[in-house]
Amino acid sequence: DIQMTQSPSTLSTSVGDRVTITCRASQSIGSWLAWYQQKPGTAPKLLIYRASSLDSGVPSRFSGSGSGTEFTLTISSLQPDDFATYFCQQYSSYPLTFGGGTKLEIK
Amino acid sequence: QLVESGGGVVQPGRSLRLSCAASGFAFSNYGMHWVRQAPGKGLEWVATISYDGSDQYYADSVKGRFTVSRDNSSPSLYLQIDRLRPDDSAVYYCAKGIYTFGQYYFDFWGQGTLVTVSS
Repeated sequence: DIQMTQSPSTLSTSVGDRVTITCRASQSIGSWLAWYQQKPGTAPKLLIYRASSLDSGVPSRFSGSGSGTEFTLTISSLQPDDFATYFCQQYSSYPLTFGGGTKLEIK
Repeated sequence: QLVESGGGVVQPGRSLRLSCAASGFAFSNYGMHWVRQAPGKGLEWVATISYDGSDQYYADSVKGRFTVSRDNSSPSLYLQIDRLRPDDSAVYYCAKGIYTFGQYYFDFWGQGTLVTVSS
């Protein structure tokens, strides 16, 4: 199984900050990585697929990069609506696996 | 839209059938999935069924106890859960998948249905 490790698990940030979240795969997954945003009590929402492709309607302040085993999700200027938990997911092979999540908290 | 139902409080060892009613897209063209999230925990992929129901995939943690199925005429997705265990307690989401070179990511999710396994 491919293990996905996210860091940090929690990040205290402020509106306007540039935020970077890292996701590492235990083996190469090419670019087969997605990022999701989840707010409390709601379903996850797709942000990025294929490591760097923005899903329709996602603000351009979100961006993704990386390939192989190391990936990043960057929010260029954090907005109040962005305080949430973010998960990465590999879809290189079964079982499909998620990272443990990164929670963005207000500093 | 994806609307799950069928969750509730169930005793260990009993069975449960979750449903997911789909609308607003060509259901029969897409692989569909179940993903669960234990309270306060991360996301765990549970099961996948191909667009025509011919292929199913399961997480090792549920293999042999969970069965995913679909009815493209309804259109609906199902998850039959047998021999429930306390660690099956979670919100169960159905999700629409985008198929890419053999695997899926999830471009739309339902609101989830809560399953609590407790005596």
